Amino acid sequence: GENVGLHLPTLSVQEGDNSIINCAYSNSASDYFIWYKQESGKGPQFIIDIRSNMDKRQGQRVTVLLNKTVKHLSLQIAATQPGDSAVYFCAENWAETSYDKVIFGPGTSLSVIP
Amino acid sequence: DTGVSQNPRHKITKRGQNVTFRCDPISEHNRLYWYRQTLGQGPEFLTYFQNEAQLEKSRLLSDRFSAERPKGSFSTLEIQRTEQGDSAMYLCASKGYETQYFGPGTRLLVL
Repeated sequence: GENVGLHLPTLSVQEGDNSIINCAYSNSASDYFIWYKQESGKGPQFIIDIRSNMDKRQGQRVTVLLNKTVKHLSLQIAATQPGDSAVYFCAENWAETSYDKVIFGPGTSLSVIP
Repeated sequence: DTGVSQNPRHKITKRGQNVTFRCDPISEHNRLYWYRQTLGQGPEFLTYFQNEAQLEKSRLLSDRFSAERPKGSFSTLEIQRTEQGDSAMYLCASKGYETQYFGPGTRLLVL
């Protein structure tokens, strides 16, 4: 079925360390993946995306890795800062449906320890 | 500010009342989405517009819910005869080419 899930619901890291947030997806037809960051009381904020024809994409302090063989997605945050504390959602998108459906996973809460 | 905006940001209402939320998408985006989000969960799709046409509705969208986008710009989401179970964050997103960009949401509390 349609399911995007996360391996870890909560993650605590020391300030300055690197963070890795993992996500599993089940739909082989998904061709586009997005990571969103959501702070308390705010809407999801786009962080980085990757298409299915790529394995890795880097942004500013963030890297997304895609392993299509095992249907796994990860978000790496370098030198984690207190401002990175938030809930992180992975979302998958496939264009076969009538409205290019985006399905969100349940989220991982990242807590940065000063 | 050229992002997605939503009004009001918070709404408290009594059970049985009607409420209406507004979303103003990014101006050049022709696709607009409504989602509902409850605590600890990811956003759940409600409905989708391409320009003024409502092309998809989720099973989550009961008969008490209606959405419009009359001129293909802003959109409204109305909930009639609100129930306590309607309490949630209602998110709007718009999309140009690839990525959906979200507004800050309207948090609804039904007493």
